[in-house]
Amino acid sequence: DQQVKQNSPSLSVQEGRISILNCDYTNSMFDYFLWYKKYPAEGPTFLISISSIKDKNEDGRFTVFLNKSAKHLSLHIVPSQPGDSAVYFCAASAPTAGTASKLTFGTGTRLQVTL
Amino acid sequence: GAVVSQHPSWVICKSGTSVKIECRSLDFQATTMFWYRQFPKQSLMLMATSNEGSKATYEQGVEKDKFLINHASLTLSTLTVTSAHPEDSSFYICSARDRVKQFFGPGTRLTVL
Repeated sequence: DQQVKQNSPSLSVQEGRISILNCDYTNSMFDYFLWYKKYPAEGPTFLISISSIKDKNEDGRFTVFLNKSAKHLSLHIVPSQPGDSAVYFCAASAPTAGTASKLTFGTGTRLQVTL
Repeated sequence: GAVVSQHPSWVICKSGTSVKIECRSLDFQATTMFWYRQFPKQSLMLMATSNEGSKATYEQGVEKDKFLINHASLTLSTLTVTSAHPEDSSFYICSARDRVKQFFGPGTRLTVL
């Protein structure tokens, strides 16, 4: 049961344009969402996150939007740069009493930024 | 930012042998560490949650006798794949959590022949 879904396995965007990566989730208990960037044979690196009490969080070129009613979030990268080419994972966590929250990852979207 | 290291970065072993992977948090103390496995073109799947000084909590479907986890100190957790088989070949990633964020190691590529 894939609780976090990234339906686009790949995306190609021209340099300078906006990249929009989408993520859907099914578990209504999720209250914290994160985006990670991953290069081949490396561990994920944290990009940006958003709490369920907000609908937008911005950090430089990266903005995450959360639509709780639709159980949907998206990552916008603008302007896109060739160095942004990587696999992007959406992750979500739910509150757990007394223990560290676990992250549930989506399947990833491979972004290719072309010149 | 916080750094998490893994050793080795890649390992090739014969079927039936055991392999130990180390995960260290280099500049912070991590009471909780997580072990993930990633098959090609798939998501990161949580295998277990490792708490310092106590037994690990395994996810459903993960054999605790096959994947031994030891969180001996606040900066070190180890994953031992016992009696490895070719189907255990995968990319194993550890993650350590400080008070706020979760940081990932660079991963270990395990190939079992």
